[in-house]
Amino acid sequence: AQSVTQLGSHVSVSEGALVLLRCNYSSSVPPYLFWYVQYPNQGLQLLLKYTTGATLVKGINGFEAEFKKSETSFHLTKPSAHMSDAAEYFCAVSPSWPQGSSNTGKLIFGQGTTLQVKP
Amino acid sequence: EAQVTQNPRYLITVTGKKLTVTCSQNMNHEYMSWYRQDPGLGLRQIYYSMNVEVTDKGDVPEGYKVSRKEKRNFPLILESPSPNQTSLYFCASSLYPTRGQPQHFGDGTRLSIL
Repeated sequence: AQSVTQLGSHVSVSEGALVLLRCNYSSSVPPYLFWYVQYPNQGLQLLLKYTTGATLVKGINGFEAEFKKSETSFHLTKPSAHMSDAAEYFCAVSPSWPQGSSNTGKLIFGQGTTLQVKP
Repeated sequence: EAQVTQNPRYLITVTGKKLTVTCSQNMNHEYMSWYRQDPGLGLRQIYYSMNVEVTDKGDVPEGYKVSRKEKRNFPLILESPSPNQTSLYFCASSLYPTRGQPQHFGDGTRLSIL
C-alpha cells in the first residue's frame, strides 16, 4: 500500500532563510506527486505537481520540488522564506498505474507540516 | 471563477440529528470526492464518485452516505452523527485524477458533533 511521510510536523525558519519541507513516499511504482498548501480557514491550494518528465518542478509562490526516484523523495524548497509562507503544507501521492480497483484517483496525504516564519 | 463550493462552512449540532453538507463544482469535472482532516492524520478519503450515479467507499466511509445525481453536486450525508465525526471536511473535484490531474478543493466545512 502507498504511504506518505512528512518529516517534522512543525518547521520554523527566519524570514529570508531557505525553506525545506521533507516528503518521502512508499510505493512499488513511482506515483504522481503533489504539494498542497493550506492557509488558515481555507481549503487546500495546489503548489506544484510531478507526473512525468523533468524531475525538478516549479510551482507557485517561488516553491519548487525535486522528484528523486532513488530516494523515494519529493522535498519542497523555497530559497527565501516570506512571512506570507506561514501555513500548513501537505505532500500527497496518487497511483500512476491505469485506473482500476487499485487506482481510484484517491490522494494519499502525509500528516502535514506547519511552517512558521519568524521576522 | 472555477471553484468548489461547500456549505455550510461551520456547523455545531447534536448526536443523532441528520445533517447534509453540500458540495458543488463549476468545472464540469467527472470525479468528486470527500475527505476528512484530523490533526496528525492528514486528509483521508471518505467517499468518491467517478461519474454521475457512480459512487464508492474510500478509506473511512463508516457513518457517511453520498449521492451523485448530477455532475456538479456531491452532497455528504450524516444520517446519525456521532462525536467521532467531529472534523474538518473537504470536497474535491478533478477531471482525470487517475492520469495525474490535480484535485481542486473547497474551503472546508468544520463540523462539531456534541
